[in-house]
Amino acid sequence: AQSVTQLGSHVSVSEGALVLLRCNYSSSVPPYLFWYVQYPNQGLQLLLKYTTGATLVKGINGFEAEFKKSETSFHLTKPSAHMSDAAEYFCAVISTGGGNKLTFGTGTQLKVEL
Amino acid sequence: NAGVTQTPKFQVLKTGQSMTLQCAQDMNHEYMSWYRQDPGMGLRLIHYSVGAGITDQGEVPNGYNVSRSTTEDFPLRLLSAAPSQTSVYFCASSYPRPTGWAEAFFGQGTRLTVV
Repeated sequence: AQSVTQLGSHVSVSEGALVLLRCNYSSSVPPYLFWYVQYPNQGLQLLLKYTTGATLVKGINGFEAEFKKSETSFHLTKPSAHMSDAAEYFCAVISTGGGNKLTFGTGTQLKVEL
Repeated sequence: NAGVTQTPKFQVLKTGQSMTLQCAQDMNHEYMSWYRQDPGMGLRLIHYSVGAGITDQGEVPNGYNVSRSTTEDFPLRLLSAAPSQTSVYFCASSYPRPTGWAEAFFGQGTRLTVV
């Protein structure tokens, strides 16, 4: 079965600092991985996705993630944090069985401080 | 550009009451799903559908029913509400691709409190 693990339920960075949110996956088949962002009292918005091809994936708002098969990781990064990046971030993997169902990590709350 | 629309946005129920959470999408997506979000647990799949007339259970289906009579609508029914069903519920839609996988599009959520 496919699963993802997000290390760190809360991450705090200073404005302008590097953002690194960790996600490791477990999958018996080639994984299809996603990062979603949730702003307060909102639904989930897709940041980026990895299906096949280039292992470095660029998303919206300056975020990117690198798929590393050897490390079973798909960490999310942004070179310089902005106050508007404060949100909850979810890593997810497509589950088997059709329907584009997702298995989510437990989420990481990102706080950006002045 | 409505996308995925969920109603209501907020609801308070008494234990034992029943209700239906509505979900509609206008993107002609074949796939629709319901998730619940609880603190520290991420989102968990309740039920999903791969097309009109076809539904299946997810990870946490107990206490919930679904049906899919049209492509557009995928209501979630709580048969007899329990405090453990206090949560934020999200509906999502997606579509098949010849290769790779398409992302899911989410509604704004329904915040349900059962007292």
